Amino acid sequence: DAGVIQSPRHEVTEMGQEVTLRCKPISGHNSLFWYRQTMMRGLELLIYFNNNVPIDDSGMPEDRFSAKMPNASFSTLKIQPSEPRDSAVYFCAGRGRNTGELFFGEGSRLTVL
Amino acid sequence: DQQVKQNSPSLSVQEGRISILNCDYTNSMFDYFLWYKKYPAEGPTFLISISSIKDKNEDGRFTVFLNKSAKHLSLHIVPSQPGDSAVYFCAARRRGSSNTGKLIFGQGTTLQVKP
Repeated sequence: DAGVIQSPRHEVTEMGQEVTLRCKPISGHNSLFWYRQTMMRGLELLIYFNNNVPIDDSGMPEDRFSAKMPNASFSTLKIQPSEPRDSAVYFCAGRGRNTGELFFGEGSRLTVL
Repeated sequence: DQQVKQNSPSLSVQEGRISILNCDYTNSMFDYFLWYKKYPAEGPTFLISISSIKDKNEDGRFTVFLNKSAKHLSLHIVPSQPGDSAVYFCAARRRGSSNTGKLIFGQGTTLQVKP
């Protein structure tokens, strides 16, 4: 039983480049969350979807960040253009209808030089 | 503003002793609290939770205590084991958001259990 799958696991890019992070949630999970982990702020919620519809994107830092969920089995988080301060670990998490907890992927570690 | 705060970035305890991780929150609308554990290069995994109608929940070596009047919760691990060494995140969910499951996390506390 595959869990939440994220790709790439590691990404090193140069400032100004476009970055796309991908997530495949667990089948049947109807809510999907994108979090960012930094030392200072811990796990910050960036955006979440319910039944593929974006519900709250107030955590998205700037217009450089965008997220989509075209179907129930796929979501992307895009940063364009990327900046060094975007360097962090980005997690995707899902939740089923009748559970309280979230199930996280292994994360995508982004380094922007 | 940080609605969920873990003021201790790190904690070190001896194997066999008790580990106590603390968490404070500011939003009185939170009604469900969770602890997650995270190993390096892995995603956080659910550990234990507590509803605001309770003040204690126990699962094996792990117990979570909730003090609503103080807006404080703590995670007790006893006895601590070296395999418990990880980052622990406290999380809270606002009343009325059970449908979406949105969780607000703290900054995390790194626990080191020394053999």
